[in-house]
Amino acid sequence: KAGVTQTPRYLIKTRGQQVTLSCSPISGHRSVSWYQQTPGQGLQFLFEYFSETQRNKGNFPGRFSGRQFSNSRSEMNVSTLELGDSALYLCASSLNFRYEQYFGPGTRLTVT
Amino acid sequence: AQTVTQSQPEMSVQEAETVTLSCTYDTSENNYYLFWYKQPPSRQMILVIRQEAYKQQNATENRFSVNFQKAAKSFSLKISDSQLGDTAMYFCALPHTGNQFYFGTGTSLTVIP
Repeated sequence: KAGVTQTPRYLIKTRGQQVTLSCSPISGHRSVSWYQQTPGQGLQFLFEYFSETQRNKGNFPGRFSGRQFSNSRSEMNVSTLELGDSALYLCASSLNFRYEQYFGPGTRLTVT
Repeated sequence: AQTVTQSQPEMSVQEAETVTLSCTYDTSENNYYLFWYKQPPSRQMILVIRQEAYKQQNATENRFSVNFQKAAKSFSLKISDSQLGDTAMYFCALPHTGNQFYFGTGTSLTVIP
């Protein structure tokens, strides 16, 4: 089975711009979660989608949004980028609640 | 509230030796799962081992095993016969409502040849 894929792998954006990151889960997995990883804050949960519905959301501003498509692929969008949004964004898929999550390689976002 | 604490920011071990990484957690749930993940320099998060709280038997996966003490809310990872490829950040994780995983701050493990 193919693993979780994320595109793009690296991204450089300017403050104020917006960005869209994509995640394709493992085939058959309906849950997709997004995390932000930074040296200072560690791994922080952004949101989780299951069957196209956002099931849970972390403590991030409204500039961070996401969606899930009928094929379980997910996108997250960050609008009005700030320098502090520079991070590794990880996507994880799982069968359902509390099952182990399998992570993609991440998207390294740099905001200048 | 769910919390996960890893009190060892950095550890090192000689190749072929055994090392134990500590993790404590807090949860109000009775049935839950716990996980250990490793993140090597490539940054790819890899599942190491899973423990189900209702099972008294400690989980093992080849050279990796856990010491799960539910009453003490402790979940340590033991790596036997350490190999150079075990060098990585190790995260303890506790899932919560809506599949939100709470991660510890990680332990950076270096295996010394």
